[in-house]
Order: sequence, then structure tokens, then C-alpha cells
Amino acid sequence: GAVVSQHPSRVICKSGTSVKIECRSLDFQATTMFWYRQFPKQSLMLMATSNEGSKATYEQGVEKDKFLINHASLTLSTLTVTSAHPEDSSFYICSARAGTGSNQPQHFGDGTRLSIL
Amino acid sequence: GESVGLHLPTLSVQEGDNSIINCAYSNSASDYFIWYKQESGKGPQFIIDIRSNMDKRQGQRVTVLLNKTVKHLSLQIAATQPGDSAVYFCAELFQAGTALIFGKGTTLSVSS
Repeated sequence: GAVVSQHPSRVICKSGTSVKIECRSLDFQATTMFWYRQFPKQSLMLMATSNEGSKATYEQGVEKDKFLINHASLTLSTLTVTSAHPEDSSFYICSARAGTGSNQPQHFGDGTRLSIL
Repeated sequence: GESVGLHLPTLSVQEGDNSIINCAYSNSASDYFIWYKQESGKGPQFIIDIRSNMDKRQGQRVTVLLNKTVKHLSLQIAATQPGDSAVYFCAELFQAGTALIFGKGTTLSVSS
């Protein structure tokens, strides 16, 4: 089946650091990738949608200058949390889809646990 | 009036029991729904899906029911096992090309 890989799986860093998370589709070309954030005991909240080669579309309340998304190829999207602070600590999950039709499933990565000290 | 299953944040069952997890979705225009299982520290894992032109769909030990009138989705797990313990989320697709939107999760605990 389709596999989405996230790296790193866990990162701990100091406040003020910028952190990059990678999301790769290993065996299919991802036209669209999605980034979600999940706080403890809460649901997945969509942060942004990115289409290969174009700017990401951010959900209301998500700062685009804080969460930089790059989707430069059909197999790789990156999320950079700039100048991270403790309130950015969360579980970040990416998802990828091969096309735009509802028949195309969204495949999820195993998430990145970000802890800002 | 019609009885609608309430969303519960937690559900505890004994091994072998049948489990029913409920979800209310938000958009009457949504036409595709998925149930996911999420284990601690992992991403969502697909369980079963259903399209809006169906009321019921069955898989292995799982059944999804869709009630479009009251925008309600349920997941039934037969003969629940300890390995079923996880958080379960329903997700809806508003329209093709957009992202799945997740509902509130239910933590299922199965004791043996």
C-alpha cells in the first residue's frame, strides 16, 4: 500500500530554534499534501494544504510566516516551524494524496512529536 | 423523536463485547466519510469508509452506519479485542480535492 514517511519522528529543541519536518510519499506521486497539528487528547486540526509547485493554502488562524511549507516535488513537502516557542509543541502529521478526486485516498504519515523547551 | 447516538470521549468495554462509537459530522454537503484508528504516538490508520449514497458498509469485524438526516456516523466493532484499544476518529470530505476534516475522537479501552 501507499506509504507516507515523516522525518524526524521526534525532535526536542530550544525556544527560538527553527525546525524542519519532512514528509515524503515513498511509492506514489503526491499532487497534494496536507499538514495537521494535534494537541494532546484533541483531534487533528488542518493547518494547510499544499499543491506541488504552488503556494500553500493556510487555514484560518495559522500563521503562514511561522509555519513555512514547501512542496517542491511530487514526493516531498516540508514544514518549517520558525522561531519555535513552547506553545508550538505538538504532534505534527502530514498526509498525501495522489490526485484531487474523492476516490483518491489520503495517506498519513506517523507524525512528528515536536517539543520546545 | 429519533434517537441519535451521543459522542462520548471515552468508551470502556470488555473483550468480546461489541463496541459502538458515534460521531456527528458538520457539513451536510460532505459526501465521503472515513473512520480512523490512532494508536499512541502514531498517525491515523484507515479502518473503513463510506460514501453518502450508502447507509451501511461492512468490513471485517467493523460496520459503518451513515444517517444523513441527522448528520451522524457510527462505527460498530464486533467482538472487540484488546488490540482494538486506541483513539477513533471520524473524518469527512467536504468536496473533492480538499482535505479530510476530523471530528472529535473517542478513546476505546478494551479490558480482558
